[in-house]
Amino acid sequence: DAGITQSPRHKVTETGTPVTLRCHQTENHRYMYWYRQDPGHGLRLIHYSYGVKDTDKGEVSDGYSVSRSKTEDFLLTLESATSSQTSVYFCAISEAGESYNEQFFGPGTRLTVL
Amino acid sequence: GQNIDQPTEMTATEGAIVQINCTYQTSGFNGLFWYQQHAGEAPTFLSYNVLDGLEEKGRFSSFLSRSKGYSYLLLKELQMKDSASYLCAVVDSNYQLIWGAGTKLIIKP
Repeated sequence: DAGITQSPRHKVTETGTPVTLRCHQTENHRYMYWYRQDPGHGLRLIHYSYGVKDTDKGEVSDGYSVSRSKTEDFLLTLESATSSQTSVYFCAISEAGESYNEQFFGPGTRLTVL
Repeated sequence: GQNIDQPTEMTATEGAIVQINCTYQTSGFNGLFWYQQHAGEAPTFLSYNVLDGLEEKGRFSSFLSRSKGYSYLLLKELQMKDSASYLCAVVDSNYQLIWGAGTKLIIKP
């Protein structure tokens, strides 16, 4: 299995509080992604990174920010959490961003915003 | 807009064969993935198709027709452990993955 960990694995927080989720990889893959998964929806891309300090927005980026200061770490921040951000968040990595870009997923973080 | 369609849920019997369909309308096409996701776990890679035709990998096969915007995943000799959701995802012209909502497969003894 690809070496990807996410922390925390579960979190309950209150509306309006900031939350940071961490993704850590030991594979030295260039690309890292943050998705959210909700019932009835496919995985939706929030942000992705194609290198240290190189990030871009995905389909559902509003209310989220990211940072990547090291190859191995990709942080997702909810500046002021809302109930609509209750979801399961998956981090993924891939070696190449084009062509055959199989992604390997972390175990997920279940976030509940009350 | 971009769209991936899969049946929401399917039921099959242990030992049987099941075909899970995926149709897509996307801006460009650079390949199609199938992933398996057990409840409460991360998606894991099953197959990748970029050319038309059938790719076989053990009990699992995946088929692609680019002209029809259609793919299917074929699972043979079903086992109880195959109970999972199966996610179809298309690589669009910007090399982004567009995901379907997934098909929940229930295997009955």
